[in-house]
Amino acid sequence: QLQLQESGPGLVKPSETLSLTCTVSGGSISSSSYYWGWIRQPPGKGLEWIGSIYYSGSTYYNPSLKSRVTISVDTSKNQFSLKLSSVTAADTAVYYCGLGHLGAFDIWGQGTMVTVSS
Amino acid sequence: NFMLTQPHSVSESPGKTVTISCTRSSGSIASNYVQWYQQRPGSSPTTVIYEDNQRPSGVPDRFSGSIDSSSNSASLTISGLKTEDEADYYCQSYDSSNQVFGGGTKLTVL
Repeated sequence: QLQLQESGPGLVKPSETLSLTCTVSGGSISSSSYYWGWIRQPPGKGLEWIGSIYYSGSTYYNPSLKSRVTISVDTSKNQFSLKLSSVTAADTAVYYCGLGHLGAFDIWGQGTMVTVSS
Repeated sequence: NFMLTQPHSVSESPGKTVTISCTRSSGSIASNYVQWYQQRPGSSPTTVIYEDNQRPSGVPDRFSGSIDSSSNSASLTISGLKTEDEADYYCQSYDSSNQVFGGGTKLTVL
């Protein structure tokens, strides 16, 4: 059973870069059948897609975040990562990593809360 | 880019049937699959419908999905409501380069 687990700092200062990692267990991140994505949810609000990375290495980002987002894969560690630069309080959210297949996120991590505050 | 619009909240009594709509702002609702996710408080979302009308294993057949091209919308219908169905529900779809979530609908079963 494939599982995902987010990790990273729970507190980030304004203007700095938020960095999170998603570790994939129970399967290979190199599978061409899937893509890998990040989704966030501000407190009390809805889900927002951040971006996705495909087996080919192609990346797609939410246009509203594109200038600040980088998603990458480390196949040697079976992990993929999110970097979000120049964060503000508006970036405070629960961040989820997800496994995508045919347009849907089939499997989600448990989520990690990131607070942007000085 | 397109948007998916859902009602903010719906409520219904146990045993009844409720339908949650999801309207696509531009582009055809039929051009890309629609998914529906259930999220209970403090938990990650889980899929209840994928590819417009398919149920993952383990999801009861009380959950069904459909699309309506005339209104450019998708719908999630839950029949025989149970108190355990009380949750937030999100629709989601995509185009060639973006994935989009609806704003979410809070279902209250009272």
